Amino acid sequence: EVQLVESGGVVVQPGGSLRLSCAASGFIFDDYTMHWVRRAPGKGLEWVSLISWDGGSTYYADSVKGRFTISRDNSKSSLYLQMNSLRTEDTALYYCAKDLTEGGAYSPPDSWGQGTLVTVSS
Amino acid sequence: EIVMTQSPGTLSVSPGERATLSCRASQSVRSNLAWYQQKPGQAPRLLIYGASTRATGIPARFSGSGSGTEFTLTISSLQSEDFAVYYCQQYNNWPPSFTFGPGTKVDIK
Repeated sequence: EVQLVESGGVVVQPGGSLRLSCAASGFIFDDYTMHWVRRAPGKGLEWVSLISWDGGSTYYADSVKGRFTISRDNSKSSLYLQMNSLRTEDTALYYCAKDLTEGGAYSPPDSWGQGTLVTVSS
Repeated sequence: EIVMTQSPGTLSVSPGERATLSCRASQSVRSNLAWYQQKPGQAPRLLIYGASTRATGIPARFSGSGSGTEFTLTISSLQSEDFAVYYCQQYNNWPPSFTFGPGTKVDIK
């Protein structure tokens, strides 16, 4: 059974930094592209970023480009999101999610964690 | 940037009835369209990908159709566990981005 467990969400001041982690199990982690998706309070889902199976390719939503960095450690089956220059509008529940397709394709996420809450507030 | 819209915003349906949800893309996404269900306090659940392929374990009462810019999710006979918010998501363009629609809430009539 696929399990994705996010951690690292806290209350942080505007302009601050934070690193989210996601521990994966139940599948061959380094066979899959991984995603971060967020949901702000009272709002809908917003895709944030993805990283290829080998970490060689990364892509970001325009709203976070230049401020967030996605990375992975395949030896630890772990995914990360480094968040810098945080803004109040980054307040959201952040989900780690596994890509549907094994290998190099980029397809919709099919397995999700329960999320970790990031609150950006002074 | 591809913009996704969904209609209606809220759909009130009685159990056992059919529900039809619409999703529109601002430009063609071919068949690169997914549907998700999200219930309060739960993670999203992938229902449909490739516009019409049901994900593993998804009941046959869920079906997707469409291509290009117009898509539909149909729930043939609503069960109590189907009352939730439904999102469409495109994954067509390059460089990759996975734009979600704003969602349709399906509630009990």
